[in-house]
Amino acid sequence: DVKVTQSSRYLVKRTGEKVFLECVQDMDHENMFWYRQDPGLGLRLIYFSYDVKMKEKGDIPEGYSVSREKKERFSLILESASTNQTSMYLCASMRLSGRADTQYFGPGTRLTVL
Amino acid sequence: GIQVEQSPPDLILQEGANSTLRCNFSDSVNNLQWFHQNPWGQLINLFYIPSGTKQNGRLSATTVATERYSLLYISSSQTTDSGVYFCAAGGNAGNMLTFGGGTRLMVKP
Repeated sequence: DVKVTQSSRYLVKRTGEKVFLECVQDMDHENMFWYRQDPGLGLRLIYFSYDVKMKEKGDIPEGYSVSREKKERFSLILESASTNQTSMYLCASMRLSGRADTQYFGPGTRLTVL
Repeated sequence: GIQVEQSPPDLILQEGANSTLRCNFSDSVNNLQWFHQNPWGQLINLFYIPSGTKQNGRLSATTVATERYSLLYISSSQTTDSGVYFCAAGGNAGNMLTFGGGTRLMVKP
């Protein structure tokens, strides 16, 4: 079974802090994704990566950056956290098989910015 | 980009009842997935179904790509089916998915 893990289940930070959210997958998937989930808005894609050191902006990249130095690890960075970044953050991974395939999700990190 | 709409937004069922959840999408897709998010927030993939019909136990899904909709059927619902059901669709850039707003299901004992 695919396993996607996220570094924290719950996180509380203060406005202006730099925040790192880590995601690790163990199935050698090429693609990794970061979403945020807010009530009434579903899941929105922040960034995705299709290879080491490669990244593409999703629908809402403003205020976020990402890092993919190793294939299994994809980090989401909030350079200066703001209260409107309080949300549930979900990481996913997917293999690159020449066609679209299933995304597998981590358990999520619920971030509160005070 | 693709727009994805789900209906109904909320659904309350008595245990044992059947239900149909609908997902409409605005453009042709090469990726269509259904997910269940449990009360603890974990998203589990139910079906990868860009076209055709699949069944897995009490759940089945049908996608009619030419008419741009997908249906998720839940039969003999159980309390453990409660949670939020998401439909997600991807087009030419098949790696990226657009999620619908979800259907929140509550199954009462």
